[in-house]
Amino acid sequence: GAVVSQHPSRVICKSGTSVKIECRSLDFQATTMFWYRQFPKQSLMLMATSNEGSKATYEQGVEKDKFLINHASLTLSTLTVTSAHPEDSSFYICSARAGAEEKLFFGSGTQLSVL
Amino acid sequence: SQQGEEDPQALSIQEGENATMNCSYKTSINNLQWYRQNSGRGLVHLILIRSNEREKHSGRLRVTLDTSKKSSSLLITASRAADTASYFCASRFSGGYNKLIFGAGTRLAVHP
Repeated sequence: GAVVSQHPSRVICKSGTSVKIECRSLDFQATTMFWYRQFPKQSLMLMATSNEGSKATYEQGVEKDKFLINHASLTLSTLTVTSAHPEDSSFYICSARAGAEEKLFFGSGTQLSVL
Repeated sequence: SQQGEEDPQALSIQEGENATMNCSYKTSINNLQWYRQNSGRGLVHLILIRSNEREKHSGRLRVTLDTSKKSSSLLITASRAADTASYFCASRFSGGYNKLIFGAGTRLAVHP
């Protein structure tokens, strides 16, 4: 099956710093990638939809300037959490759709802890 | 709210028993999918059922869909300890929307 690689798996940073998370589709081209956020024992909340070569579409309530998404190629999307604060601490997961496939392929997630 | 409802929130059973999880969604869908998540990991796709289908099987999994009630159920038969995970339904809305919206999830614990 298609593989999505997400790095880093865990990051601890100081308040005020920026953190970049990478999501790569290893063996397929992902025209669309999705970024989700998950709190402990809760569901996934869609943050934004990322299309290659165009601006991301953010869900209501998600700050565009806070969570910068870049989808520069068909195999790479990045999420940058700018000026991170403790309330940004969460599990961030990316996913990708392979062509006309309906199902999503997920990265293994990034646990962000902001001190 | 983005999410649909799932019940139960948590389910604890013995190996060999069947596990049933239910999901409800809010608007018309194109398809509904079920995913599994092991603790602290990404999600893995289990099964997809389209809006014009009523039941689908895959190995020990059986999914039903009732569009009139906007609900779906996932049945895992003859459960194993390795089935312990969280299970989420995800609906893809009709009307051209490209995204999947996930339900609240059911945490399943299967005891040996």
